[in-house]
Amino acid sequence: QVQLKESGPGLVKASLTLSLTCAVSGGSVSTSDSYWSWIRQPPGKGLEWMGYIYHSGSTYYNPSLKSRLTISLDPSNNQFSLELGSVTAADTAVYYCARYDTSVYDAFDLWGQGTLVTVS
Amino acid sequence: EVVLTQSPGTLSLSPGEGGTLSCRASQSVRSNYLAWYQQKPGQAPRLLIYSASSRATGIPDRFSGSGSGTDFSLTISRVEPEDFAVYYCQQYGSSPGTFGQGTKVEIK
Repeated sequence: QVQLKESGPGLVKASLTLSLTCAVSGGSVSTSDSYWSWIRQPPGKGLEWMGYIYHSGSTYYNPSLKSRLTISLDPSNNQFSLELGSVTAADTAVYYCARYDTSVYDAFDLWGQGTLVTVS
Repeated sequence: EVVLTQSPGTLSLSPGEGGTLSCRASQSVRSNYLAWYQQKPGQAPRLLIYSASSRATGIPDRFSGSGSGTDFSLTISRVEPEDFAVYYCQQYGSSPGTFGQGTKVEIK
């Protein structure tokens, strides 16, 4: 079955760029029925959808993050990535990659385990 | 942006009891693209309900969703010990997709 797994530094200095990668196994990022997404959750708080990328490379970013966020796709390695620039303490959160499925659910049906990123 | 407001903030239930969680949208959710997720401590959210009322694969039938337009609900009949968690609603009828702030279901 399809699985997602995040990787990247757990600690980032303020004002620098946060970079994470989501490796997809058991399925292809090139499928047309999925939007590959990033969602984050500050400690003890709720969920915030950050943005997604489609197999065509088209992206959509939450307007609240658009000026700092880049999501990219790497089909050759079956993964997608996030870059968030000019980070502050407010960007400290658990970052999840997730699949938004459009074939059955029109919802986030698969999630990575999440990775905590602390901005110091 | 569609704002989702969940109530109550905390729902206290005894095992075997039933309860209903509410999710109200600031504007109508297009095509009832409303989902519910369950999140336990230290875990990623899990999809329970999609399209307002359809259960995801493997979800027990004690979970049911209903509603349309701006008012949606998740009902848990006969709550089991493993159901104590935080529940989030989420809409994707309008971009950006948004989540509610969550309802915690705790043991009474």
